[in-house]
Amino acid sequence: AQTVTQSQPEMSVQEAETVTLSCTYDTSENNYYLFWYKQPPSRQMILVIRQEAYKQQNATENRFSVNFQKAAKSFSLKISDSQLGDTAMYFCAFLYNTDKLIFGTGTRLQVFP
Amino acid sequence: NAGVTQTPKFQVLKTGQSMTLQCAQDMNHEYMSWYRQDPGMGLRLIHYSVGAGITDQGEVPNGYNVSRSTTEDFPLRLLSAAPSQTSVYFCASSAGTGVGNTDTQYFGPGTRLTVL
Repeated sequence: AQTVTQSQPEMSVQEAETVTLSCTYDTSENNYYLFWYKQPPSRQMILVIRQEAYKQQNATENRFSVNFQKAAKSFSLKISDSQLGDTAMYFCAFLYNTDKLIFGTGTRLQVFP
Repeated sequence: NAGVTQTPKFQVLKTGQSMTLQCAQDMNHEYMSWYRQDPGMGLRLIHYSVGAGITDQGEVPNGYNVSRSTTEDFPLRLLSAAPSQTSVYFCASSAGTGVGNTDTQYFGPGTRLTVL
């Protein structure tokens, strides 16, 4: 069975600084996708970034980038130049060919001014 | 495009009552799904559908029914609400379908349900 682990329940960072959120997963599959979702206080789930396992290049979206280590089954999210609007819960998620998205338990990120 | 919409935003039920959570999408997506979110447990898949007329169970299907009569709508029914069903419910949709579907899922704003 596939599992996703986020070992940091809470993190904090000062505005304009950089923070990295950790995610590890367990799978025997070779082809799969990984996602980071953001959930602000409004509760809506917002896609931050997506990584295809067959791609060696790490995905980037503006201030958000990932460090994808396939052999280590690690998928961390780096947020550069943190902004107050980045305050949210962040969920790591795993998807392969079963159409079932598997989520981690989330990391609550607080950005301080 | 409104994207994925859910109604109601909030609902309070008494144990044993029934209700339907509505979900609709206007993106012509084949794949739709329902998740529940509980503190410390992330999101868990309840039911999903790969197209009109086709539904399947997810990780936590007990106590919930779904149907998919149209591409746009995917309602979730609670037949006899229990306190254990107090949760936040999210509907999601994506363009892909079938084995190999890895398209990005778009989430609705959620419904907060309390069962007394």
